[in-house]
Amino acid sequence: DAKTTQPTSMDCAEGRAANLPCNHSTISGNEYVYWYRQIHSQGPQYIIHGLKNNETNEMASLIITEDRKSSTLILPHATLRDTAVYYCIVRVAGSGGGADGLTFGKGTHLIIQP
Amino acid sequence: GAVVSQHPSRVICKSGTSVKIECRSLDFQATTMFWYRQFPKQSLMLMATSNEGSKATYEQGVEKDKFLINHASLTLSTLTVTSAHPEDSSFYICSARGGRMDYNEQFFGPGTRLTVL
Repeated sequence: DAKTTQPTSMDCAEGRAANLPCNHSTISGNEYVYWYRQIHSQGPQYIIHGLKNNETNEMASLIITEDRKSSTLILPHATLRDTAVYYCIVRVAGSGGGADGLTFGKGTHLIIQP
Repeated sequence: GAVVSQHPSRVICKSGTSVKIECRSLDFQATTMFWYRQFPKQSLMLMATSNEGSKATYEQGVEKDKFLINHASLTLSTLTVTSAHPEDSSFYICSARGGRMDYNEQFFGPGTRLTVL
């Protein structure tokens, strides 16, 4: 799996958009970008994933650069409950394939300030 | 999203005893389940992968005779920590994949905090 690099921590004001960057310069053509988050003392929560097009769901938006070497997770209106460690993971995907477990890096500790 | 539960959420045991942790997929059939552990202030580390009806595949450095994994049905996997010692104290988390999921999504349980005295 390609390696990812994320800032150790970030602060964001409540109600503002939180933009979390991730570098994955060695990503392969068949690897997707996944985002998970882990609130303190809980299991990780799936947020979103994408291949090359930008993606949006009810939780967040994922912006992937054209060269796919980096991406940004956007939480449009951050709340205090969004305080968590956010993990960017690059994985091969596809139905029936990629059944290996996830490799978690250190992630970004996002702190939402009131 | 799909729901995965774990039981118990917290367990304290004496050194030398065995502890069983259950992981259940509540609304889907999990063809593959994964077990992770997380030490304080560290990230999750994959311990093993289990496919229903097959023997688990363990990551390097994880003792298969100490961490017994059973995945006897499509909705239940168990992790038994045998002869637990204080260094086994950790946060154990399972995840499940299968059913309607595409693109390698994994859904995680809430975790089990094990404290070995």
